[in-house]
Order: sequence, then C-alpha cells, then structure tokens
Amino acid sequence: AQRVTQPEKLLSVFKGAPVELKCNYSYSGSPELFWYVQYSRQRLQLLLRHISRESIKGFTADLNKGETSFHLKKPFAQEEDSAMYYCALAYSGGGADGLTFGKGTHLIIQP
Amino acid sequence: DAGVTQSPTHLIKTRGQQVTLRCSPISGHKSVSWYQQVLGQGPQFIFQYYEKEERGRGNFPDRFSARQFPNYSSELNVNALLLGDSALYLCASSVLAGGPYEQYFGPGTRLTVT
Repeated sequence: AQRVTQPEKLLSVFKGAPVELKCNYSYSGSPELFWYVQYSRQRLQLLLRHISRESIKGFTADLNKGETSFHLKKPFAQEEDSAMYYCALAYSGGGADGLTFGKGTHLIIQP
Repeated sequence: DAGVTQSPTHLIKTRGQQVTLRCSPISGHKSVSWYQQVLGQGPQFIFQYYEKEERGRGNFPDRFSARQFPNYSSELNVNALLLGDSALYLCASSVLAGGPYEQYFGPGTRLTVT
C-alpha cells in the first residue's frame, strides 16, 4: 500500500533562513507527487507538483526516486510562508483514484 | 466562481444517527472527491466520483456512501455514526478524474458526533 511520511510535525525557522520540509513515500508504481499548503483560515490548495518542475512562491521540490523522497525547499524563508504543508501522492489502479496525504508539517517563520 | 462549496459548515449529531453532507464543484469540473481529516492528521481519501460513477474508494466501511448528481454536485452519507467519525470532511473537485489533475478543495464540513 502507498504511504507518505512527513517526519516533522513542526518546523520553526527564522526569516531569511533556508527551509526544507521533508517528504518520503512508498509506492510500488510510478508516483505522482504534490505539495499542498493551507494558510491560516484558508482552504487547502495546491502549491506545486513534480511533473511541472516549476518554482512557486520560491519553493521547489525534486523527486528522488532512489531515495523515494520529494522534499520541499526554499532558499530564503518569508513570514508569509507560515502555514501547514502537506505532501501528497496520487495513485491509480485497484479501483481507487485518490490522493494519499502525509500528516503535514506546520511551518512557522519567525521574524 | 466561488470555488468548491460545501454545506453545512458545522454539524452536531448523536451516535447512531445518519448524516448527509453536500458539495458543489467548480463550474466545468466533472469529478468530485471526498476526504476525511481527523484532527492532527492529513486528509484521508474516501471516494472519488466522475460522471456520476464511483471511480474509486478508500479504506472506509460500508456505512459511508456517496453519489453524484447530473449537475456534478455530490452528497456524502454516513450511517450509524460513531464517535470516531468526528472530523472535518473535505470535498475536492477536478476537471477530470485521475491522479495528475489538480484537485480544488472546499472549506469543509466540521462534523461532531456526541
């Protein structure tokens, strides 16, 4: 069965410091991975997906199939980056086409 | 477009009762998915519907059921409520069904079972 692990429940960094939110996955097929973000009092929204290979709000994420990881990185954190971040894996087959989410990492950017 | 809408916002039910939650997708989206989010956890996949057909189902008991209407709106029903069903129920819509399509989430319905 597929699984997504986010080892850090809470991550606190200072403004201007680099940020790395870790995500590891287990899946026997070819994974499609996403990062979703939830800002305070807002709904869950897509931040980026690995197939796009794009940078959104300064964040990037590279899929490493050897290490089964999809870590989210930003070189210089900003206060508006404070939010809940979820790594998610899309799977298909076996009659289920849904997203498997990790438990999330609460990112706090201190001034 | 207001985005995905869900009703009601909050709901309090007693153990053993039944509940129906509603979701309206973004205009033009044909797929609706339902997720359960327990406090401190990530969302957990319950169902996905596409063109009124169940496309996928997560690991939830038969007490959970859903349907999609011709206008692509959807209902989630939960029978014989248990205390453990207390959670935020999220609805998400996408243009088509399947993994690579971006899912747009609603604000959720907070269900409390007492």
